[in-house]
Parts: sequence; structure tokens; C-alpha cells
Amino acid sequence: EAQVTQNPRYLITVTGKKLTVTCSQNMNHEYMSWYRQDPGLGLRQIYYSMNVEVTDKGDVPEGYKVSRKEKRNFPLILESPSPNQTSLYFCASSFDARGQPQHFGDGTRLSIL
Amino acid sequence: QKEVEQDPGPLSVPEGAIVSLNCTYSNSAFQYFMWYRQYSRKGPELLMYTYSSGNKEDGRFTAQVDKSSKYISLFIRDSQPSDSATYLCAMGPGAAGNKLTFGGGTRVLVKP
Repeated sequence: EAQVTQNPRYLITVTGKKLTVTCSQNMNHEYMSWYRQDPGLGLRQIYYSMNVEVTDKGDVPEGYKVSRKEKRNFPLILESPSPNQTSLYFCASSFDARGQPQHFGDGTRLSIL
Repeated sequence: QKEVEQDPGPLSVPEGAIVSLNCTYSNSAFQYFMWYRQYSRKGPELLMYTYSSGNKEDGRFTAQVDKSSKYISLFIRDSQPSDSATYLCAMGPGAAGNKLTFGGGTRVLVKP
């Protein structure tokens, strides 16, 4: 089954404790992206990757890091999480970066205390 | 002003009614338009994808794009309680890559 898989689905942690949210897709997609979803603000792009070893900032990159060492994986790293990063996070992928529709994972709800 | 405006609802309709959703946008560079459905505790699921002005139909769903008015619509015919969800419009390309710009979503409730 074609899918985007995120882990963990839920996480409660404390300020400053480094965490990684994993994202994996099995569709051989070139393009991957991270979004956060907040009430009243909708979905906003954090980082994206056009292909292996090619990443760039989205609209709200502060406080986040990403890497793309393999085509299927695109982890999101919070080196020193803060309460304002409490949000619902989605990973998405598409075949390429030329207007193809994106497919989303089921989300990771992060609470930073 | 947001690049994409979408009424947050909630929109409540009786089962069998037509659901009408819409978004307006300001960026004339947008070329492709999508509608996603999002159930509670799930990720957005692609419903419709269009790359030009006009209508596109898929089963009970019809998407309309009017680029001259910067206005897109989604119609759901013969609505079912299972259509109760939040509907997000999205469009692109953005300034870089395949970035999508989303509306805030409209919550729809179809009552049996």
C-alpha cells in the first residue's frame, strides 16, 4: 500500500530535550516536505526536499532541522524544542516538484511542556 | 491579507444535500489547485486535482476553477454523514519547489 508513515504519532516532552520525528514514504517520490498545522493558521511549510541531499527552508523553518540521506526518509529534528513548537506535524511527498499532488502522513502531535 | 481565504464554517447540511465549498486567492501565479479532505486525527487526503480553469468531476465531487476571478469551488452531491470532515483547498506552485499554499479549511457536518 502506498503510504507516508510518521513516527511517533503522539509525543509529550519537555523544553530543550532533542527529538526526532521520522517520515518514510514507499512511493519512490523525489519531493518531500514537512508542514505544521495550527488552529487559525492552517498548514504551513517548514522544510522541503527536492531530492536526496537537497533541502531548503519553507515558511517557518526556525527551530527545526531536516536531512535527506535516502530517498524514502525525511526526518524532522527539533534540537532544542520550545513550547511554541507544540503543534500537529505532517510529512508529505510527491512524485516530483513540478506540480504533482502531495500525499500526506497521518500526523504527529507534539506537546512541548 | 492571506494568500488563500477559506470560510472556516462549520457548515451543517442534512444528508442528501449539496455541499458547496469555496476559496479565493490573490496570487495569479497559482496554476494548480487541489482539494483535500481531513478527518479528525488523520492527515489530509487528496480529493481533487486540477491544472486549469473549468470543471472536473469525480463521482459525487465536482471541482471548479475560475482563474479570472481567482476563485475555486468544490461541490459534493448527495452528501453522506461520512462526508463530515474538514475540507482544505490548496494551490501552487509557491515561490520555491512544490510548495502548496493552503486555505484554513472548512469544517463540514452532514446530519443524518
